[in-house]
Amino acid sequence: EDKVVQSPLSLVVHEGDTVTLNCSYEVTNFRSLLWYKQEKKAPTFLFMLTSSGIEKKSGRLSSILDKKELFSILNITATQTGDSAIYLCAVGWASGTYKYIFGTGTRLKVLA
Amino acid sequence: DSGVTQTPKHLITATGQRVTLRCSPRSGDLSVYWYQQSLDQGLQFLIQYYNGEERAKGNILERFSAQQFPDLHSELNLSSLELGDSALYFCASSAGWDRPNTGELFFGEGSRLTVL
Repeated sequence: EDKVVQSPLSLVVHEGDTVTLNCSYEVTNFRSLLWYKQEKKAPTFLFMLTSSGIEKKSGRLSSILDKKELFSILNITATQTGDSAIYLCAVGWASGTYKYIFGTGTRLKVLA
Repeated sequence: DSGVTQTPKHLITATGQRVTLRCSPRSGDLSVYWYQQSLDQGLQFLIQYYNGEERAKGNILERFSAQQFPDLHSELNLSSLELGDSALYFCASSAGWDRPNTGELFFGEGSRLTVL
């Protein structure tokens, strides 16, 4: 069965801490892994990863994919209260069409 | 702004009623996906359209239906509404199977449906 598992389910840290969020997957015909940040409303696109070992970076956020071990991590350095959100991982896979499976997310709370 | 537009933003209705949610994808995107997100639940895939044709179905109830029109906008119809249908309904779009940047998926702001 195709699945995406995120860990931890929730995390509470203090401002300035560094966090690592994990996403593991089992899908056939893997094409891409996507990270999203969801605050009150719509998931906001962060990264799409398709190749192993190539880090994607945007400000304090970075992510990397390991296609051999079937996982990805999202790192957030020097966390701020504005980073508090649910972080979603999704895997895009192909089977006649392009489909996406989402994990249940990691709820991050950053305390001042 | 993701470029995906959904209307209405909020909708309150009674059990047994029918509603239609509308989605306009990003300019040039051919694929439209519908998701349901209930309180503290993950994103549940409902249905996908590609260039007017249904391509994949997820956990979509028989009371729900959707279509994608020639101008690529999509509508999700929810009928015989029940209390449990109260949720955020998201539309997302992507370029499509054979387009550049295949894989990037962008979400609209969602339609919050409350069934009383």
